[in-house]
Amino acid sequence: DADVTQTPRNRITKTGKRIMLECSQTKGHDRMYWYRQDPGLGLRLIYYSFDVKDINKGEISDGYSVSRQAQAKFSLSLESAIPNQTALYFCATSDRIGLAGVNEQFFGPGTRLTVL
Amino acid sequence: ILNVEQSPQSLHVQEGDSTNFTCSFPSSNFYALHWYRWETAKSPEALFVMTLNGDEKKKGRISATLNTKEGYSYLYIKGSQPEDSATYLCAFIGNAGNMLTFGGGTRLMVKP
Repeated sequence: DADVTQTPRNRITKTGKRIMLECSQTKGHDRMYWYRQDPGLGLRLIYYSFDVKDINKGEISDGYSVSRQAQAKFSLSLESAIPNQTALYFCATSDRIGLAGVNEQFFGPGTRLTVL
Repeated sequence: ILNVEQSPQSLHVQEGDSTNFTCSFPSSNFYALHWYRWETAKSPEALFVMTLNGDEKKKGRISATLNTKEGYSYLYIKGSQPEDSATYLCAFIGNAGNMLTFGGGTRLMVKP
């Protein structure tokens, strides 16, 4: 079984709808991240969390919110989806040993979201 | 916003060719540089995390070097195989931050 799972894997929705993407992990990591990937732009960080009560904005947090319900779960919400949020979304985790920068990140399989 | 550039954007090579590509990043306040391999329809997977100027790391036929003073890292693949076809991503973190900043990736295609 995969260590980092994301649901749904694919979603098509309409402008204005509320969407939640879910991420679960069995790696026991404290640190979790949400990224979006657009062609040619690499991965851009939306939000990250270093603990259950810790939420931090990333580079492109506008239009998104997150919830860290438990150590193993980190959800990303789009309150009112718009077409330019069409992208591939990845969840990732990393260990808490040392500073965040030295720990490799483990990625989920991605959620492909299309907003019409 | 930090500027992390990868070149080339895409690369086609023949099986057996050796190849290399570049990641450029800010040379000030360096903390770590990550390399990830991302195959189509799969999750990105870490190749290397590099922290020291002059670091060289190797995993099988893939190796990487790091020059923090001039702000670049090279990824080398020796004797490319079709299964090396993937997008290779580098990511930089400065010592004041908690976030990785990714480059746009180099897409490698190896023809049999």
